[in-house]
This record gives sequence, structure tokens and C-alpha cells, in this order.
Amino acid sequence: GENVEQHPSTLSVQEGDSAVIKCTYSDSASNYFPWYKQELGKRPQLIIDIRSNVGEKKDQRIAVTLNKTAKHFSLHITETQPEDSAVYFCAASNSGGSNYKLTFGKGTLLTVNP
Amino acid sequence: DTEVTQTPKHLVMGMTNKKSLKCEQHMGHRAMYWYKQKAKKPPELMFVYSYEKLSINESVPSRFSPECPNSSLLNLHLHALQPEDSALYLCASSPKESNNSPLHFGNGTRLTVT
Repeated sequence: GENVEQHPSTLSVQEGDSAVIKCTYSDSASNYFPWYKQELGKRPQLIIDIRSNVGEKKDQRIAVTLNKTAKHFSLHITETQPEDSAVYFCAASNSGGSNYKLTFGKGTLLTVNP
Repeated sequence: DTEVTQTPKHLVMGMTNKKSLKCEQHMGHRAMYWYKQKAKKPPELMFVYSYEKLSINESVPSRFSPECPNSSLLNLHLHALQPEDSALYLCASSPKESNNSPLHFGNGTRLTVT
């Protein structure tokens, strides 16, 4: 089955700095890569996703890059703000066949210091 | 402001009790999911329903019994749980089971088994 590795497990940055979280996956058939943000005590919320036919996607201060050859994808947050502090999960899935399973990374605790 | 509604928000139950968790969505999504999340861990998939039929059971113990009465509702019946089953139980939905549809999570039920 799919295995998703996520690094780092914790990341502390100063407000205004950039933050980068990296994930690797094992199944070359995976073709969908969402990122979820989970604030303490709240539900995971999709912040951005990318499909395997695209190399990069941006949404304001957030961007995701995908390297299919190397089987890794990254989340980039620019001009970080204290409200970006949360746990971020990457995930990968393969929609082939009749089953759909999203495999999550172990998460990155991002702390943005004012 | 979540579009996936879960009740109750909190539940404390003894090991001999029978209880049910409920989930509702009115977005017309045809796939619904139960996830279990322990503290500081990613969500773990338990069950997937697609078009009201169970399509994935991730080898979940029989003390957890899912039910999908209609396309908007998903229940999780609990019986004879163990203290290690204490966790946040998240319901999610997506437009379809496959096709790389983003998951929309509810706020979860925080379950404590005593």
C-alpha cells in the first residue's frame, strides 16, 4: 500500500518568514495530493491540493509543488502569520479502481512566533 | 460553519454501554467516511460508504458498526468499547468516492471510554 513520509515533524518560524513542509510517497500510481490544516481542537480543513498532471499550484500565500519523478511534494507558506500556527498533514491517493483511500503523513506542527 | 455536522460533540461512555455517533451532510455528496484520530496523529480511515453501500472496512473491530440510512446520513454504532478506543471520531464526505474528490470533515465527536 501507499506510504507517505512527512518532514519536519515540528517547525518554528518567525512571523513573516517562509515555511516549507516536505512529503514523499511510495506508490507511483498516486495521482492526488491534498494538504490539510488542523488547528488545535478543530477539524482538518483542506487548504490546497494538486493533481499529478500539474507541477505547481498557488493560492495567495500558499503553494504546492509536485515532482512525480522523485515522488515528492511540498507545501510552501510565505509571509507566515501567527494564525498559520497549526498541524499540517499531507496526503496522497490513487483513484484507480473502485476504492478511494487517502493516506496521510504524520503531520507537521507549525508554530509562527510573533 | 462546517457543512458536515456531527453529534454529539463529546461523549463519555462505559465499556458496557451502547451509543451511536451521527453525521449529516446536505451537499449532495455520495461518499461518506468515518475516521479515527488519536492525539498528535493523523486521521486513520475506518469505513467508506459510496452511494450508501459500504465499500471499505479497514479491518475495524466489530464493536464499531457503521450504518448509512440514506445519502445524507451516516451513523457509527458503538458497543463494548475499550478505553483505547477513546479518540476523536471524524466524519467526512466527498462528491464521489473516487475521482480525487476533496474530503470535507465534520468537527468530530470526542469520545472517552471509561
